[in-house]
Parts: sequence; C-alpha cells; structure tokens
Amino acid sequence: AQSVTQLGSHVSVSEGALVLLRCNYSSSVPPYLFWYVQYPNQGLQLLLKYTTGATLVKGINGFEAEFKKSETSFHLTKPSAHMSDAAEYFCAVSELSNTGKLIFGQGTTLQVKP
Amino acid sequence: EAGVTQFPSHSVIEKGQTVTLRCDPISGHDNLYWYRRVMGKEIKFLLHFVKESKQDESGMPNNRFLAERTGGTYSTLKVQPAELEDSGVYFCASSQGRTVLFFGSGTQLSVL
Repeated sequence: AQSVTQLGSHVSVSEGALVLLRCNYSSSVPPYLFWYVQYPNQGLQLLLKYTTGATLVKGINGFEAEFKKSETSFHLTKPSAHMSDAAEYFCAVSELSNTGKLIFGQGTTLQVKP
Repeated sequence: EAGVTQFPSHSVIEKGQTVTLRCDPISGHDNLYWYRRVMGKEIKFLLHFVKESKQDESGMPNNRFLAERTGGTYSTLKVQPAELEDSGVYFCASSQGRTVLFFGSGTQLSVL
C-alpha cells in the first residue's frame, strides 16, 4: 500500500530564509507526486506535481521539489520565505499512478516570522 | 471560471441528526471526488464519481454515508444519522483528467 510521511507537523522560518518541507513516500509502482497548499479559509491549491520526466519540478510562487527515487523523497523547497507563504502544506501520492485517488501526508504548517 | 463550490461552509448538528453536504464541481469536469479530514489526521479519500457513476467508493466509512451525483453535475454527501466521529472537514474536488484535482474550500462539520 502507498503511504506518505511528512516530517514535522510545524515548521517555522524567518522571512527571507530557506523553506524546506520534507516528504517521503512508499509506493510499489512509479508514483505521481504532488504538493498542495491550503491558505487560511481556502481550499487546497496545487503547488506542483511530478508525473514523469525531469525530476526537478517547479511550481507556483517560487516553490520547487525534487523527486529522488533512491531516497523515496519529494521535498519541497523555496529559497526565500515570504510572509504570504504561511499556510499548511500537504504532500500526496497518487495511487496506481493516475486514478485521481490521492494518499495524503499529515500536513505541515509553515510559520513565517518577520 | 468558477472553481469547486461547497455548501455549507460550516455545519453544526447534534448526534443522531442528518446533514447533507453539497458540491458543485467545475463545469465540464466528469470526475468528482470526496475527501475528509478528521481533526489531527491526514486527508483521506472517500469516493470518486465519473459523471453520475460511482467509480470507487472504497473510502466510505460505513453505510451511514450516502453520496449521489444527479445527472453527472453536482454531488451531495448525506450523513444519517451523524455520529461524533463524523466531525471534520469534508473536501470535494473535481478534475477533467485524473492527474490534477481542483479542491473546494471544504465543509467544516461539527457533530455535538
């Protein structure tokens, strides 16, 4: 069975600092991997996705993630945090590659300090 | 273009009562999904419609939950009778293909 683990339920960074949100997955088939973000009082918004091809994927708002098969990881990074990045972030894997049925991690709340 | 819309945004009911949640997907999206997040836990899949047909309902907790999608347009999720453990945020999502899902803002359900 597929699963997703996000390390750290809360991460706090200073404005301008590097953002690193960790995600590890388990899957018996080539995975489709996603990062979603939920801003307060809003729905989940897709940040970026990996399906096939280039392992470094760029998303919206300056975020990027790298698929590392050997480490079964898909960590999310942003070089310089902005106050508006404060939100909850979810890593997800698509079961059986392309069914739309997502397995989510527990979520990581990012706090950005001025 | 309107996104995925969910009604109501919040619902507070007593144990044993019935609640119906509604989801209006993005126009033209054949795929519609329901997910739920119980407090402190991860978001979990409930079921998947393709047009009006249930493609996968493996995540439905029990027979107190009934989902419908009339005419392949909007969907409703009814909980009858509601129990305390049903409290959580219920998300709806829709998609044209099956790779990228567009989520609504969710319905916060509180069962007292």
